[in-house]
Amino acid sequence: NAGVTQTPKFQVLKTGQSMTLQCAQDMNHNSMYWYRQDPGMGLRLIYYSASEGTTDKGEVPNGYNVSRLNKREFSLRLESAAPSQTSVYFCASRTGGNTHEQYFGPGTRLTVT
Amino acid sequence: GENVEQHPSTLSVQEGDSAVIKCTYSDSASNYFPWYKQELGKRPQLIIDIRSNVGEKKDQRIAVTLNKTAKHFSLHITETQPEDSAVYFCAAFYNTDKLIFGTGTRLQVFP
Repeated sequence: NAGVTQTPKFQVLKTGQSMTLQCAQDMNHNSMYWYRQDPGMGLRLIYYSASEGTTDKGEVPNGYNVSRLNKREFSLRLESAAPSQTSVYFCASRTGGNTHEQYFGPGTRLTVT
Repeated sequence: GENVEQHPSTLSVQEGDSAVIKCTYSDSASNYFPWYKQELGKRPQLIIDIRSNVGEKKDQRIAVTLNKTAKHFSLHITETQPEDSAVYFCAAFYNTDKLIFGTGTRLQVFP
């Protein structure tokens, strides 16, 4: 039982390049989330998926797109990376409904030059 | 709007002393309030949580209190140890689907 996994662990992009961050969970959770964490700031919600087939914007969605590929996988895409997107990205999941506990992946450290 | 304020941003205590971190939330409909601990370079880990039908919850040296009327909740760590040094985040659950986090408190425990 790996929990929540993310790939890659580290990535360096040039401005304007695109990439997709991958997230998968093996806990049969319904809800999945993408956050970014910047120095001195908390975790800010980018997008979330309350269930397979649905996605919703969070606090900071601009510049990102997401895909809930199936119940296990939730990917985050940067179409044209900008230096302001340099951050640590965390994926998280939870069962859903009245079960609120959220479990985080190990994070992806992204640098855009 | 959806907002969680957290104070202080940094907290330094002597080993053995107590530490208190406070948060306020904006939506009276929020019903779940977790606290996460994040060590350097690691993922956030849930350490304790409280639901809106409970005023206080304890787990060994940590406790959380909730004042629904004032929309405040607090984390209390007693008998602090150097391994308690980390960044702590509070959060509030909004709209049945999402957690909104505070900006974090860096706790340093000096031996």
